[in-house]
Amino acid sequence: EAEVAQSPRYKITEKSQAVAFWCDPISGHATLYWYRQILGQGPELLVQFQDESVVDDSQLPKDRFSAERLKGVDSTLKIQPAELGDSAMYLCASSHDRSNNSPLHFGNGTRLTVT
Amino acid sequence: AQSVAQPEDQVNVAEGNPLTVKCTYSVSGNPYLFWYVQYPNRGLQFLLKYITGDNLVKGSYGFEAEFNKSQTSFHLKKPSALVSDSALYFCAVRQLWDDYKLSFGAGTTVTVRA
Repeated sequence: EAEVAQSPRYKITEKSQAVAFWCDPISGHATLYWYRQILGQGPELLVQFQDESVVDDSQLPKDRFSAERLKGVDSTLKIQPAELGDSAMYLCASSHDRSNNSPLHFGNGTRLTVT
Repeated sequence: AQSVAQPEDQVNVAEGNPLTVKCTYSVSGNPYLFWYVQYPNRGLQFLLKYITGDNLVKGSYGFEAEFNKSQTSFHLKKPSALVSDSALYFCAVRQLWDDYKLSFGAGTTVTVRA
């Protein structure tokens, strides 16, 4: 079964440094999501793409976070500068489309630790 | 606004016993409801969904969920739990008018003891 690929699996960085995460969705999936999951909580949506366009980034801290999906396939999420409170699991997910019938398929995530 | 609540942080059951993980929702209009499971250091895996139709929905790994509109609930159930069912379970709701945004509950940790 096709999977959502994410890298790296783990990342340790010092505060004020820049960090980037990469996601390759399931082939043919038009919708891509980045979620942040703080330990003990449910995932929270950071940004949602439909093809190469952002359709929802209302919860993305835009002063330090950025996301792109230039060719409508893979995506990069960047944090600059990282803060201690950014330590979390960053999950990428994709779905065939935006409709209510399309379940999300998640990658295994990138666990970020900011020291 | 939409929200989903999982009133229990933890559920503990013995292997072979029935397992229930509770979920209630609050949305305007018809809800689209999902259950996901997460194993340690892994992403979420889709279990089942309710969109419309039969209130009892069957999903992966022997799980099922019952949609109850009057009680605004969507509880996850398994008749006979396995040790391998021990994981973190998330209920989620999606709403048509909110650009199909999927919102998750806080999660319930299930521990099945041998």
